[in-house]
Amino acid sequence: EDKVVQSPLSLVVHEGDTVTLNCSYEVTNFRSLLWYKQEKKAPTFLFMLTSSGIEKKSGRLSSILDKKELFSILNITATQTGDSAVYLCAVDSTYNAGNNRKLIWGLGTSLAVNP
Amino acid sequence: KAGVTQTPRYLIKTRGQQVTLSCSPISGHRSVSWYQQTPGQGLQFLFEYFSETQRNKGNFPGRFSGRQFSNSRSEMNVSTLELGDSALYLCASSLRGGDYGYTFGSGTRLTVV
Repeated sequence: EDKVVQSPLSLVVHEGDTVTLNCSYEVTNFRSLLWYKQEKKAPTFLFMLTSSGIEKKSGRLSSILDKKELFSILNITATQTGDSAVYLCAVDSTYNAGNNRKLIWGLGTSLAVNP
Repeated sequence: KAGVTQTPRYLIKTRGQQVTLSCSPISGHRSVSWYQQTPGQGLQFLFEYFSETQRNKGNFPGRFSGRQFSNSRSEMNVSTLELGDSALYLCASSLRGGDYGYTFGSGTRLTVV
């Protein structure tokens, strides 16, 4: 059965700390891995990763994918209180001979950044 | 460019009733996916519509149904509501079935009492 596992489930840090969030997956017919940030309701897109070893970067956030070991990490440096949110990882995969695709989601990592 | 719009934002229904939720995707996006989000289960895929056709369906009972109109707006319907249907219902639109990522709406918070 396809699954995506995120760790840790929750994390509390102080402003200025660096955090690393983990996402491992067991999915057949992998297409891409996506990271989202969910603060109140709408998850907002952070990164889409398709190739191993190529770091994607946006400001203080960066992410990398390892397709051999089947995991991705999301790094946040110099954390701020505004980074407090749930970070979701999802894997986009195909099935039914490639005619269908679906997103398989992890349960998320709840990050709290204290001032 | 307007984002994904979901209505209503909040809804309270009693057991046994039915409910219809609406999602208007980003202009030009033809794919709309629906998800149920609960604290214990995370995001669970309900179904995906593309050009008025249901392309994918998750493992939900037949009480959950949906449709898409010619303008790409989508509705989902839940009949004979149960307490366990209380959740945040999110829809996501994409340009071409996810090749360029998915944009989510703010969701509809459904509470069944």
